[in-house]
Amino acid sequence: GIQVEQSPPDLILQEGANSTLRCNFSDSVNNLQWFHQNPWGQLINLFYIPSGTKQNGRLSATTVATERYSLLYISSSQTTDSGVYFCAVVSGTYKYIFGTGTRLKVLA
Amino acid sequence: GAVVSQHPSWVICKSGTSVKIECRSLDFQATTMFWYRQFPKQSLMLMATSNEGSKATYEQGVEKDKFLINHASLTLSTLTVTSAHPEDSSFYICSARDVRADTEAFFGQGTRLTVV
Repeated sequence: GIQVEQSPPDLILQEGANSTLRCNFSDSVNNLQWFHQNPWGQLINLFYIPSGTKQNGRLSATTVATERYSLLYISSSQTTDSGVYFCAVVSGTYKYIFGTGTRLKVLA
Repeated sequence: GAVVSQHPSWVICKSGTSVKIECRSLDFQATTMFWYRQFPKQSLMLMATSNEGSKATYEQGVEKDKFLINHASLTLSTLTVTSAHPEDSSFYICSARDVRADTEAFFGQGTRLTVV
């Protein structure tokens, strides 16, 4: 099956810093989403981005499907950005396969 | 975005009993629902995919007699953990999608199950 790897696994930032999270996948995908899992476990949809670039406030994402990766950019990070970020892909079937996750901690 | 409601948010049960978790799509028709399990500090592991009106498809290694999934309508899927044991304690999350519209997936808030 498809493999989805995220990097870095852990990231510590000072408030106000920028960061880039990466998602690599081993096969072509039909869909890709980025999520933020908050401390209570809730998954928050950030981007639905099978290809191209999208922006939403301080967050933006780019997926280069032909090269099998996606990037999530966080600018001017805030303590509320802390949590785990997952990418998830759909390949061939309808099911989402999750990446390994990036655990982000933003310090005040 | 669309809303997926999952209940209960947390449950404690005794070994040997069964627990039912509900997943409802509140404002869209979910042709397909997914059930995930998440261990502490790990990623989400897909357990099964259910399509409305048909049997669920389980991932390799998931016991279908232990984790009963029913998707009786376009807005409701249930996961029943039967004869629960402490090793079944985990965080369970459902997801719903309208694959006809090829839209994004939305997730419930999760259920933390503790078996004592």
